[in-house]
Amino acid sequence: QKEVEQNSGPLSVPEGAIASLNCTYSDRGSQSFFWYRQYSGKSPELIMSIYSNGDKEDGRFTAQLNKASQYVSLLIRDSQPSDSATYLCAVTSNSNYQLIWGAGTKLIIKP
Amino acid sequence: SQTIHQWPATLVQPVGSPLSLECTVEGTSNPNLYWYRQAAGRGLQLLFYSVGIGQISSEVPQNLSASRPQDRQFILSSKKLLLSDSGFYLCAWKVSFNYGYTFGSGTRLTVV
Repeated sequence: QKEVEQNSGPLSVPEGAIASLNCTYSDRGSQSFFWYRQYSGKSPELIMSIYSNGDKEDGRFTAQLNKASQYVSLLIRDSQPSDSATYLCAVTSNSNYQLIWGAGTKLIIKP
Repeated sequence: SQTIHQWPATLVQPVGSPLSLECTVEGTSNPNLYWYRQAAGRGLQLLFYSVGIGQISSEVPQNLSASRPQDRQFILSSKKLLLSDSGFYLCAWKVSFNYGYTFGSGTRLTVV
């Protein structure tokens, strides 16, 4: 069973600090990795994609990928209350190219 | 630009009634289409996906079915709803194998 693991949280971070969200996956052949943000009652929204080892930055968001350790993370700098949401990690299956989803980490940014 | 439409936004249906949820995609052709369900406080459960007209793959056996009558139209149906069918239903699409999914706005279904 191919899996994606995330800490369910909630992860509480003070406003202005760095929020660090982590995800591990079991399919060693996975090639594409995604972070989605889901506000309560809304549909998931793609915020970051990463395909190569290392860091990818987009504004306040940085995705980090380490394929050897089967680990992907999302850093949110200068956290804002509007960043409070559930963050879903998703990984492409190497066998059928469908996304395998983590259960999500609930992030709370405290003013 | 590509957009995905999903309706209705909310639905309250009695047990045993039929269901039809529709999803359409604009601005692309031959998308991969997906139906997911998310129970309250839970993760995403893949129900069906389709790589082309008339091609449906079912991931989880249940009393739901899906159809793709046109290239950019994906329909989720049930003949008789159960209480356990309540949840947040999401349609999604992607361009090709290495891309992320784009989700519709979702349908919140409550079976009473």
